[in-house]
Amino acid sequence: EAGVTQFPSHSVIEKGQTVTLRCDPISGHDNLYWYRRVMGKEIKFLLHFVKESKQDESGMPNNRFLAERTGGTYSTLKVQPAELEDSGVYFCASSQDGGYTFGSGTRLTVV
Amino acid sequence: GENVEQHPSTLSVQEGDSAVIKCTYSDSASNYFPWYKQELGKRPQLIIDIRSNVGEKKDQRIAVTLNKTAKHFSLHITETQPEDSAVYFCAAGGSGGRGGKLIFGQGTELSVKP
Repeated sequence: EAGVTQFPSHSVIEKGQTVTLRCDPISGHDNLYWYRRVMGKEIKFLLHFVKESKQDESGMPNNRFLAERTGGTYSTLKVQPAELEDSGVYFCASSQDGGYTFGSGTRLTVV
Repeated sequence: GENVEQHPSTLSVQEGDSAVIKCTYSDSASNYFPWYKQELGKRPQLIIDIRSNVGEKKDQRIAVTLNKTAKHFSLHITETQPEDSAVYFCAAGGSGGRGGKLIFGQGTELSVKP
């Protein structure tokens, strides 16, 4: 079984630019989550999809962040325009009836 | 709001000693408590989890205990080995782990010295 795949693994962008992160969950997993870890702090919840619907987006920091999951398969998280405080590691996870499986994360650095 | 407090933030032990990491949570509706291990540059990996109908669960050198009344849960690693060195995260969630967000603790950096 393929795991959760995230792309890119690293991204360095300038403040004000746009970045799009992608997550491919485990095939058949209805639940897809985005989390973020800022340097040295906890892993913070951003949002939760059930299939293509946003179940809970209470963790999205502001309207510069846009997540989509068209067709209920892969998901994208776009940051536009990026700010310095957006730097961190963005994790995606998926689940069905069991525990979460995390992706390896995208390390985003905004300079 | 919902939060999970995790202590200590760093823990250094000698190989062979035990390590204990403690977490408290605020949301009384939480009923699923997983623990993740994250090695440097790798993904968080589930090492053990417990659901609220169980007070203790053990898997070889790893055990987790849960006190729902006090809203505490702990990770115990016995006979530690250098390869146990990593950052460990506790988390709390609802739906018995079958959906819904997890609230994570701040992480504990465990260092096991040979």
